[in-house]
Amino acid sequence: GENVEQHPSTLSVQEGDSAVIKCTYSDSASNYFPWYKQELGKRPQLIIDIRSNVGEKKDQRIAVTLNKTAKHFSLHITETQPEDSAVYFCAATPGGSYIPTFGRGTSLIVHP
Amino acid sequence: GAVVSQHPSWVICKSGTSVKIECRSLDFQATTMFWYRQFPKQSLMLMATSNEGSKATYEQGVEKDKFLINHASLTLSTLTVTSAHPEDSSFYICSARDNNSGGLGAFFGQGTRLTVV
Repeated sequence: GENVEQHPSTLSVQEGDSAVIKCTYSDSASNYFPWYKQELGKRPQLIIDIRSNVGEKKDQRIAVTLNKTAKHFSLHITETQPEDSAVYFCAATPGGSYIPTFGRGTSLIVHP
Repeated sequence: GAVVSQHPSWVICKSGTSVKIECRSLDFQATTMFWYRQFPKQSLMLMATSNEGSKATYEQGVEKDKFLINHASLTLSTLTVTSAHPEDSSFYICSARDNNSGGLGAFFGQGTRLTVV
């Protein structure tokens, strides 16, 4: 089955800095890669996603890049703000099964 | 956007009793729903895939007789924790796939905090 590795487990940055979270996956059949933000005690919220036919996608301060050959994808947050503090999960979804496999999560802390 | 409602948001029950958790897709139809368990500061662990009109598919190590899943309609799946014990205390979250979104996007319910005493 699919295996998703996510790094780092914790990321601490100053407000205004950029943050990068990286994930790797093992199943070459995976073709959909969502990123979720989960605040303490709340549900994961989809913040951005990318499909395998695209190399990069951007939405305001958030961007995701995908390297299919190397089987890794990354989340980039620019001009971080304290409200960006949360746990971020990446996921890889194989076409056909549509069952996402989640990374272990990254706790992002943005210091004012 | 797609909304998934999970109920109850928290429940406290006595050891040995059963608890039912509901997961509803409010504005879309969901042939497939997923049930996860999340321990503090950990990732989402898939327990089972719930398929409308058929039996759920359980992940390895998840007891299907303990965690009963019913997906009787395109908008409702239920998870029943039977004979609950303190070790079943956890955060349970469902997610649902929108049939009309190309089948890829999944949206989460708000989760249920189960405490067994």
